[in-house]
Amino acid sequence: DTAVSQTPKYLVTQMGNDKSIKCEQNLGHDTMYWYKQDSKKFLKIMFSYNNKELIINETVPNRFSPKSPDKAHLNLHINSLELGDSAVYFCASSQGSGVYEQYFGPGTRLTVT
Amino acid sequence: GDSVTQMEGPVTLSEEAFLTINCTYTATGYPSLFWYVQYPGEGLQLLLKATKADDKGSNKGFEATYRKETTSFHLEKGSVQVSDSAVYFCALGQGGSEKLVFGKGTKLTVNP
Repeated sequence: DTAVSQTPKYLVTQMGNDKSIKCEQNLGHDTMYWYKQDSKKFLKIMFSYNNKELIINETVPNRFSPKSPDKAHLNLHINSLELGDSAVYFCASSQGSGVYEQYFGPGTRLTVT
Repeated sequence: GDSVTQMEGPVTLSEEAFLTINCTYTATGYPSLFWYVQYPGEGLQLLLKATKADDKGSNKGFEATYRKETTSFHLEKGSVQVSDSAVYFCALGQGGSEKLVFGKGTKLTVNP
């Protein structure tokens, strides 16, 4: 019974294309996140939503747009993909503030050629 | 702003060796501190946490003590196994923010 799931697990696409990654959590959490992990394993937060409202929006190109249709889902849409977007993208959820554990999905490995 | 600094890897040990991964932090107030582990090909998962000074978090033989006087949260294990090979992340969180601040991660490889 997966707590945080992401689809797809692997995504290979060409520069200039538009793609989406989907995330769902069944933990009943109010807060969801998107992270980007580069090849050196450095983890960078991109966005966070609380109850479908955007609360964290780090310095991320406008080509990245999160969408939260309900509090169990947070999708990431990327326009005009670039080589530098190649990374592993993780979705996570938590009960809310930073004192709570975050639960991570298995990741989506995006490769832009 | 808040920050976390952890020792750079990679760290390579033989099975049954003692492990220490150093982590220090800079933060206002009284943050909660975490160690997350990422096994190959997987997402991060919580290894242990501590919410106030002098608390000791422990799990799967790993331990870390919240030291406010040295602003540290070093991860230790007395005898590592091959299955402990992973990337370890130190992180801090504040009650007034949804954001976790992560260190850069330390890759551990344990050889048989």
